[in-house]
Amino acid sequence: DGGITQSPKYLFRKEGQNVTLSCEQNLNHDAMYWYRQDPGQGLRLIYYSQIVNDFQKGDIAEGYSVSREKKESFPLTVTSAQKNPTAFYLCASTYRASTDTQYFGPGTRLTVL
Amino acid sequence: RKEVEQDPGPFNVPEGATVAFNCTYSNSASQSFFWYRQDCRKEPKLLMSVYSSGNEDGRFTAQLNRASQYISLLIRDSKLSDSATYLCVVNPRGSQGNLIFGKGTKLSVKP
Repeated sequence: DGGITQSPKYLFRKEGQNVTLSCEQNLNHDAMYWYRQDPGQGLRLIYYSQIVNDFQKGDIAEGYSVSREKKESFPLTVTSAQKNPTAFYLCASTYRASTDTQYFGPGTRLTVL
Repeated sequence: RKEVEQDPGPFNVPEGATVAFNCTYSNSASQSFFWYRQDCRKEPKLLMSVYSSGNEDGRFTAQLNRASQYISLLIRDSKLSDSATYLCVVNPRGSQGNLIFGKGTKLSVKP
């Protein structure tokens, strides 16, 4: 089946630890995005990538890092510099960066203990 | 003024009711508009795009009013399965696909 997968579904982190969230797609989409959603809030853009080996900061990139070594994969690392990382993280993709319709993965719920 | 603003609700309606949501946006140059549906603790899923001429998909009708900078979603004959949060989404000109999401309007359809 084609789609976007994220793993793990739930993740628990101790303060001071870095963690990496996985996002994989087999839709042959060029552009990929990472969002954060907090309760009662809209989605906020963390990072996005329009092509392989290129990515740009979104609105709230501080404390996060990404890589885009393969078209299919766009992992997000939540570093210890992110002061309030507990949130629902959503990965999305589009066929081309200029197209609007974004398709989302099922999300990873990160909790800092 | 917030970039995309929605009434958070909740809208509590009986089955079979007609319900309408509005959303306002601040960037008058915005090019495209969408409604997404998000179930509790799930990812958003595209419900429908919103075209200038208005568009309908079954029980759902979306309309755009550029002069007043708002979009609307009308749901007729509400079903229990329509219970969800509805996100208004706008793509401002030149953002290269970077969407702006509203906080969502929660709908609860009761038997």
